[in-house]
Amino acid sequence: DQQVKQNSPSLSVQEGRISILNCDYTNSMFDYFLWYKKYPAEGPTFLISISSIKDKNEDGRFTVFLNKSAKHLSLHIVPSQPGDSAVYFCAASAVDQAGTALIFGKGTTLSVSS
Amino acid sequence: NAGVTQTPKFQVLKTGQSMTLQCAQDMNHNSMYWYRQDPGMGLRLIYYSASEGTTDKGEVPNGYNVSRLNKREFSLRLESAAPSQTSVYFCASSATGVETQYFGPGTRLLVL
Repeated sequence: DQQVKQNSPSLSVQEGRISILNCDYTNSMFDYFLWYKKYPAEGPTFLISISSIKDKNEDGRFTVFLNKSAKHLSLHIVPSQPGDSAVYFCAASAVDQAGTALIFGKGTTLSVSS
Repeated sequence: NAGVTQTPKFQVLKTGQSMTLQCAQDMNHNSMYWYRQDPGMGLRLIYYSASEGTTDKGEVPNGYNVSRLNKREFSLRLESAAPSQTSVYFCASSATGVETQYFGPGTRLLVL
């Protein structure tokens, strides 16, 4: 049973437009959420995170929104650039779990065309 | 600052052979992790070490063993490799178990 779901395997966007990547979770104990970006043949790199006490976190072109009641989060990239083309993983963890590891979604491949 | 390093980058094994994947971090992090990534799947946790001297099983530990050699190093051992263990293996570390994890570049393993 997947605890973190990214239901869109892929997303195509034109350069300059907004990219919206979605993530749903089922475990109500999750209270820390992260987005990772992964290029081919490289390890995932941390992009942005949000704690459950917030509903929005912004870092430059990247904004993450959290809707706890819907158990849904989204990553907005504005404006999208060709260099943003990568696989994006949503991940979640529960702070009260000792030695917490991250639970990852299966990823969404973003393609930004120029 | 190298961050998280992994060796080797690529390895081919025959079924039944053994090998150890090495991981080291220079960020003075307490927690370290081993994940595997398979096509169409997210990253799945194999084993983790919340702190030096402790290790625990993750979601998919069967067929693997780990050693937290010291605070910097966390190795993953395949005692008898199977084709099902063909995957990309990522090591990660975090300051504590509840903070952002930082990943190494990965080891691509092919078991024939």
